[in-house]
Amino acid sequence: DTEVTQTPKHLVMGMTNKKSLKCEQHMGHRAMYWYKQKAKKPPELMFVYSYEKLSINESVPSRFSPECPNSSLLNLHLHALQPEDSALYLCASSQPHSTDTQYFGPGTRLTVL
Amino acid sequence: GQQLNQSPQSMFIQEGEDVSMNCTSSSIFNTWLWYKQDPGEGPVLLIALYKAGELTSNGRLTAQFGITRKDSFLNISASIPSDVGIYFCAGYPNSGYALNFGKGTSLLVTP
Repeated sequence: DTEVTQTPKHLVMGMTNKKSLKCEQHMGHRAMYWYKQKAKKPPELMFVYSYEKLSINESVPSRFSPECPNSSLLNLHLHALQPEDSALYLCASSQPHSTDTQYFGPGTRLTVL
Repeated sequence: GQQLNQSPQSMFIQEGEDVSMNCTSSSIFNTWLWYKQDPGEGPVLLIALYKAGELTSNGRLTAQFGITRKDSFLNISASIPSDVGIYFCAGYPNSGYALNFGKGTSLLVTP
């Protein structure tokens, strides 16, 4: 099983709202990732969790707040977003080694009004 | 991260034709991955390559890890309409922690 699930599939929010994106994997992977992807562009890395600890933050604004409650779950809390934050948000997982294959979820299409 | 040069940027072909796309880098990579992405969906792993010179097939898809460790190609034989999508190469550089992506190859297949 190489499945990563993400909810919700679509999300529309105002700039004053607080919402959360959720990601789950049951492959026993100990590294999980958040990416942001704009149309017709490759994914851009936002955060990396390794063994449930935040190991990399690619200078992401604080209005994005990641959380890893356990080895299977990854959340991305959203607050006071801007319209330019509208994008496809992808979760991925892998073993926590620097060359291991990453498996992506289907993404959450976020629209900020 | 390291910029991967992926070409061609787009391809418009007829069903049944073979397709070839490649990725190059100015530095050495330890792993090459090829993904396909449909509109509004996440990238789906097609082929993973871990050793220089490695040639791997997955159905009608074949990919190779270049001997110099600075390039990789993906071939699709006898294309069909469901091959339509964006194909991304990705890899881990010898130095660095992040998965680097090419800009993608957009493939259109006409029946």
